[in-house]
Parts: sequence; C-alpha cells; structure tokens
Amino acid sequence: AQSVTQPDIHITVSEGASLELRCNYSYGATPYLFWYVQSPGQGLQLLLKYFSGDTLVQGIKGFEAEFKRSQSSFNLRKPSVHWSDAAEYFCAVGGGATNKLIFGTGTLLAVQP
Amino acid sequence: KAGVTQTPRYLIKTRGQQVTLSCSPISGHRSVSWYQQTPGQGLQFLFEYFSETQRNKGNFPGRFSGRQFSNSRSEMNVSTLELGDSALYLCASSRDSGYEQYFGPGTRLTVT
Repeated sequence: AQSVTQPDIHITVSEGASLELRCNYSYGATPYLFWYVQSPGQGLQLLLKYFSGDTLVQGIKGFEAEFKRSQSSFNLRKPSVHWSDAAEYFCAVGGGATNKLIFGTGTLLAVQP
Repeated sequence: KAGVTQTPRYLIKTRGQQVTLSCSPISGHRSVSWYQQTPGQGLQFLFEYFSETQRNKGNFPGRFSGRQFSNSRSEMNVSTLELGDSALYLCASSRDSGYEQYFGPGTRLTVT
C-alpha cells in the first residue's frame, strides 16, 4: 500500500537550534518526494522536491532533505531554526505518471524563543 | 507569475445544499488537482484534471465532482452537503504529471 508516515506529530525546538523532521514512505514505483509547509489558515507552500539524481536536495528558506532509498526515508533538516519557521510540515509522495499526492499526517513545529 | 487562486475563500452552507468552488491555476499549467483537508482525515486527493479531462480520481463519493475549462480553470462541485464535508479544499496546479504542484490558499467550507 502507498503511504507516508510522519512519526512526530508535534515538535518543539529552541530558536537557533537544528531541526530534523522525519518522513518514511511506502510506494510501489519510483517515488517523487516533496515537503510542504502550511501556516495557519493558509495553503501549502512547496519547500523542496526530489525526483532523481543527487539524494541531498536544497530547498527554500534554508531547508534541505536527504533521500535514503534503503531506509525509505526523506527527512527534512534545517541547521538553525527561526521563529518564523513555526508551522505545520507535510511530507508527500507521488509518482512520475500521476499527480496524485499521498500526504503524511503532518508535524506541527513550535519554536521557543 | 501569479500563483494559484481560489474563490471564494470562505463559504458557509446548510446541509443538503450544493456548492461550487473555483480554482485558477498558474499561467501555463494544464493540470489541476483538488484535495480535501480535515483534522480527522488529513489531506486527501479528490481528483485531477488535465486538458479538460479527469485523469485521476480519489476515493470520494459521487457527490464530489469537478470539471476543467479550456483555459485550465477548474471548478469542483459538492452536492447534497453533509456536515462531514466541512473542510479546507485545496487546489493545486502543475505543468503536467511528474512536475511539482503549487497550491492555492484554499476554500474553507463550513456546513451547518
């Protein structure tokens, strides 16, 4: 079955600390992987994507993610979190032949001053 | 480039009524997908339209339908509204399959 697991529902980090949000996926074909961020009452903003090639991808706002096929993971990282990063983060998987995205349940990030 | 726009942003309807939501994709994007977001079920794919044809469909009842026009703008319709249809409905556009999708701000539908 196709699925995305984000094991952490809620994470709190201090401003300036590093961040890693976990994402594991199950997908029968070659996965296309995405991280989106959602602020309250807003739509989803694309942070970064992985289609193929270099397994470490850079995104906007200083985020990066690493694709590990052997672990079926696509974890999101940021070396130093800013208060404005507080939001909900969604990992999603799709395929090259379809625009149907399967989303994880999201991780709500709180940033302490 | 202008982003994905959705109208209206907020909507309140009564159970049993029907509703139509609109989405204008990014210029040049021919694929429009719709998603439902609720606290209980999360983000779920409704359907995708490409060149005025439904190309993919999620697991929703027939009360949920959509269409796409020749200018790629899309509408989704929900008939016989139920309380459980209260949700944020998100539209996303992309150039085609295999490209990233960009989301609009959503339409918040409340069914009373």
